[in-house]
Amino acid sequence: AQKITQTQPGMFVQEKEAVTLDCTYDTSDPSYGLFWYKQPSSGEMIFLIYQGSYDQQNATEGRYSLNFQKARKSANLVISASQLGDSAMYFCAMREGLVNDMRFGAGTRLTVKP
Amino acid sequence: NAGVMQNPRHLVRRRGQEARLRCSPMKGHSHVYWYRQLPEEGLKFMVYLQKENIIDESGMPKERFSAEFPKEGPSILRIQQVVRGDSAAYFCASSPKHLLTDTQYFGPGTRLTVL
Repeated sequence: AQKITQTQPGMFVQEKEAVTLDCTYDTSDPSYGLFWYKQPSSGEMIFLIYQGSYDQQNATEGRYSLNFQKARKSANLVISASQLGDSAMYFCAMREGLVNDMRFGAGTRLTVKP
Repeated sequence: NAGVMQNPRHLVRRRGQEARLRCSPMKGHSHVYWYRQLPEEGLKFMVYLQKENIIDESGMPKERFSAEFPKEGPSILRIQQVVRGDSAAYFCASSPKHLLTDTQYFGPGTRLTVL
């Protein structure tokens, strides 16, 4: 069964506008962590933001924030004031408390238009 | 503090040859994870190692693939007798501990092409 679902294969956003990238997850483990990574065309994986299942507040890191809706099992990434350099693939990932691996979604390709 | 180092960045092999991929974790990190990424897909877990120990290799193919993380030196992912289907990007990640909250930091990846 798919653990992480990213339903948007591609997204476009105008420079300086905000954009939301969707991520839903499936787990029965009460302890889990959710991560977002950015993969630019150069190929490296860059960590952006983390949200723990017990965290009361939504995580924020600079222009990145995570809209965590636990009951809906969604962890959407919000990028404010988009920049051209934000154009990349974005992956949502989850680690569950009792497993060793991190499961990744299929990714969303974001293109920022000037 | 240097990040996770992987080499080579690009590797070309002919079918039947061996591929050896190296990963040096971040300083102070003793937990290493290998992932494989096929074109236009997310990363898939292969193996998790600590120094001198394989902890979880549930994502690794049973044949031709092996991994090690010796006491001294980098972690090595070895693929014997490569086939075209092994062509992919292989990423190594490291973390200081194995806590749920620990972020895994990724290296730049090795792009393997099998001719």
